[in-house]
Amino acid sequence: KNEVEQSPQNLTAQEGEFITINCSYSVGISALHWLQQHPGGGIVSLFMLSSGKKKHGRLIATINIQEKHSSLHITASHPRDSAVYICAVKGGIQFYFGTGTSLTVIP
Amino acid sequence: GAVVSQHPSWVICKSGTSVKIECRSLDFQATTMFWYRQFPKQSLMLMATSNEGSKATYEQGVEKDKFLINHASLTLSTLTVTSAHPEDSSFYICSATRTPYNSPLHFGNGTRLTVT
Repeated sequence: KNEVEQSPQNLTAQEGEFITINCSYSVGISALHWLQQHPGGGIVSLFMLSSGKKKHGRLIATINIQEKHSSLHITASHPRDSAVYICAVKGGIQFYFGTGTSLTVIP
Repeated sequence: GAVVSQHPSWVICKSGTSVKIECRSLDFQATTMFWYRQFPKQSLMLMATSNEGSKATYEQGVEKDKFLINHASLTLSTLTVTSAHPEDSSFYICSATRTPYNSPLHFGNGTRLTVT
């Protein structure tokens, strides 16, 4: 069993739609990261969370420590949001990665 | 923002040769650097964690004699793939973080290694 489970694995949305990507984890964590990987391979760290909610532009990330669950929301999605989104958690000194959600936003 | 430079971005080498990949933090001191490997259409696989001035900690199943990691300064870590074979062909990525330990991760752009 993976320590980090993401859903959905693949997601196609129309431009403008509200998108939610979910991440559940089974280990005790000190921080959770949402990462974005574009087709070229480069990875950008979107959020680092240990509690509550963070917002950056059209992106919102929430975490519920008790339920061991985090969500990444994208409002008013745009084709440039098309990427793979990866959830990573830090438990102790160890990092665990989800398998990623491949998002395609169609104009 | 914090920048991590990874070099080269792609490399083709012959079987049996060694390849060195560099990961530099350009505007901050990276006390910890991570090396990952990514197979096509799969997520990141953590290979090792290196702290400046000490030996790297390798994940289970990663051969430390095959993948040599050096983190000799607060701005530079290197991954050397020794005696490369075609099965080592992959996308290798580094990330760096500063203290405190829960600081954000900053990623390099990755290195595409092809071994012929």
